[in-house]
Amino acid sequence: DQQVKQNSPSLSVQEGRISILNCDYTNSMFDYFLWYKKYPAEGPTFLISISSIKDKNEDGRFTVFLNKSAKHLSLHIVPSQPGDSAVYFCAASNSGGSNYKLTFGKGTLLTVNP
Amino acid sequence: EPEVTQTPSHQVTQMGQEVILRCVPISNHLYFYWYRQILGQKVEFLVSFYNNEISEKSEIFDDQFSVERPDGSNFTLKIRSTKLEDSAMYFCASTPPRYEQYFGPGTRLTVT
Repeated sequence: DQQVKQNSPSLSVQEGRISILNCDYTNSMFDYFLWYKKYPAEGPTFLISISSIKDKNEDGRFTVFLNKSAKHLSLHIVPSQPGDSAVYFCAASNSGGSNYKLTFGKGTLLTVNP
Repeated sequence: EPEVTQTPSHQVTQMGQEVILRCVPISNHLYFYWYRQILGQKVEFLVSFYNNEISEKSEIFDDQFSVERPDGSNFTLKIRSTKLEDSAMYFCASTPPRYEQYFGPGTRLTVT
């Protein structure tokens, strides 16, 4: 039961270009969405988030877009840097629960080539 | 900057043995979690813990699993009788509470 889907297992971009990572969700109860970055042998690190009352949130080179009607969100990284190479996980939560539990996608491996 | 720590980084055990994975959450956080990631698969929620009790658990978290906060700093996950399919990375996380959870580096559990 994949409530959060990341359909691209990998993405390769050139340094300086835009990276776009996509995520779809099926559970309409989700109302808070997060992106995590994970390097090998480390735990996931929080990157950026967005509430369902917004459609865009920006933090430096990172922007998350949310399209609620399509149940789709995307993470844009501009410009991409080699240090951005990592696995990116999309995660979702439901404010109706009291536990802030996260449901993750399978991740997308981003490779930024110098 | 405060961080979540986990020990050991790698645990190898034989099937049927008990293992205890340890975590030290960030000190002023109130919600604690365990997640696991089987190789090549997604990170899966196991259990959340608040106010010294389990607040939610997944179907994976059966009677073989238990959690404990034995003192003011440690948070442990015990697997009573390990199975081959328990082999995974186990991540501890904590939050103040907020949606943004802070994850530890993980413990790689290998069951042989």
